Amino acid sequence: AQKITQTQPGMFVQEKEAVTLDCTYDTSDPSYGLFWYKQPSSGEMIFLIYQGSYDQQNATEGRYSLNFQKARKSANLVISASQLGDSAMYFCAMREIIRTGANSKLTFGKGITLSVRP
Amino acid sequence: GAGVSQSPSNKVTEKGKDVELRCDPISGHTALYWYRQSLGQGLEFLIYFQGNSAPDKSGLPSDRFSAERTGGSVSTLTIQRTQQEDSAVYLCASSQANRGQTGANVLTFGAGSRLTVL
Repeated sequence: AQKITQTQPGMFVQEKEAVTLDCTYDTSDPSYGLFWYKQPSSGEMIFLIYQGSYDQQNATEGRYSLNFQKARKSANLVISASQLGDSAMYFCAMREIIRTGANSKLTFGKGITLSVRP
Repeated sequence: GAGVSQSPSNKVTEKGKDVELRCDPISGHTALYWYRQSLGQGLEFLIYFQGNSAPDKSGLPSDRFSAERTGGSVSTLTIQRTQQEDSAVYLCASSQANRGQTGANVLTFGAGSRLTVL
């Protein structure tokens, strides 16, 4: 079974509007971390936001916020006030902390392509 | 260095040849990771180093793939007898591993080495 599922087809959003990118995960580890990365067409991987499984509040970083619903095992990324530069591939990833360690690998989903229309 | 440095940025080789890909992590980062990304796909984990040891090499696809890290710094990924299915972008990442057991340590990625096997 996939540990990280990103099933949305290519997403489109109008500039200045908000958009939600979906991510569901599967783990039996009680302690885990969730990450979102952005990959523009240039190819570099850019870290956006992190949410720990025990964090009480949803993570926020500027225009990025993470809608963390633990019981549903979802960690959706919300981008507010979209900009043309937000057009990129977005990856959700998870680290299983007890099973594999606090500095262990991240397991990535297949990604979602976001296109921002002017 | 200021970022994760990978070389070569592009490598074209003939089927059956050996290739070496180099990663120079951020100074002071003790954890180092190798991933590969096929065209339009997600990131596939290969191997993780903590210092010079590799506690997780579960992602290496075959015994043609090997990696080493020396001096807790530079790492080399070697692919022997390359096959066309090895064509991909090979990404290296490093992490400071300074967040204790929270699991929040962020991976910083290099620009990748694009390997094409003819």
